[in-house]
Amino acid sequence: RKEVEQDPGPFNVPEGATVAFNCTYSNSASQSFFWYRQDCRKEPKLLMSVYSSGNEDGRFTAQLNRASQYISLLIRDSKLSDSATYLCVVSHSGNTPLVFGKGTRLSVIA
Amino acid sequence: DGGITQSPKYLFRKEGQNVTLSCEQNLNHDAMYWYRQDPGQGLRLIYYSQIVNDFQKGDIAEGYSVSREKKESFPLTVTSAQKNPTAFYLCASKGQVNQPQHFGDGTRLSIL
Repeated sequence: RKEVEQDPGPFNVPEGATVAFNCTYSNSASQSFFWYRQDCRKEPKLLMSVYSSGNEDGRFTAQLNRASQYISLLIRDSKLSDSATYLCVVSHSGNTPLVFGKGTRLSVIA
Repeated sequence: DGGITQSPKYLFRKEGQNVTLSCEQNLNHDAMYWYRQDPGQGLRLIYYSQIVNDFQKGDIAEGYSVSREKKESFPLTVTSAQKNPTAFYLCASKGQVNQPQHFGDGTRLSIL
């Protein structure tokens, strides 16, 4: 079983739609969780951290379920500029490397 | 501005040649990382360093070497032993524990 699993997509949605991405992780000792965004031929950039209580940043909402080892990202009112690959990322401890999922591709269509 | 600088942006390697990719950060981060990304694929860890003068192999270290003589710098050498070096190489650093990693803008390596 892969450490971090994501549906690869692609998700093709119209502008204004709400879209949700899910991610599962296998290591129950994981401590920190993040969503990154990667545009085509660019480096990954931090979108948001994910906290146990859930957190929101504008149109983006992230949630964590430690019992089910499950992370989600909800994007409301999708924009064309949201088209990218979204990476689910998990940290075990200390400065050990983050573990990246393979990403879910989103295309927002006019 | 604080950040991570990778150079060059594009690099071409001849058969049998070693090439070195540069990664410099002025964020005062202890930990640095090298990843490889192939088209349509996820990131794969090559090497990482948690402190100066120390580094560990990642999942795909064969054919690569690194050094960490200074906190700011973590160069990656792609040796001739790496038979399929064409990829997008990403360097990252991290400060405090449980914080996210920050990436440089990458180096694209191709074989001539």
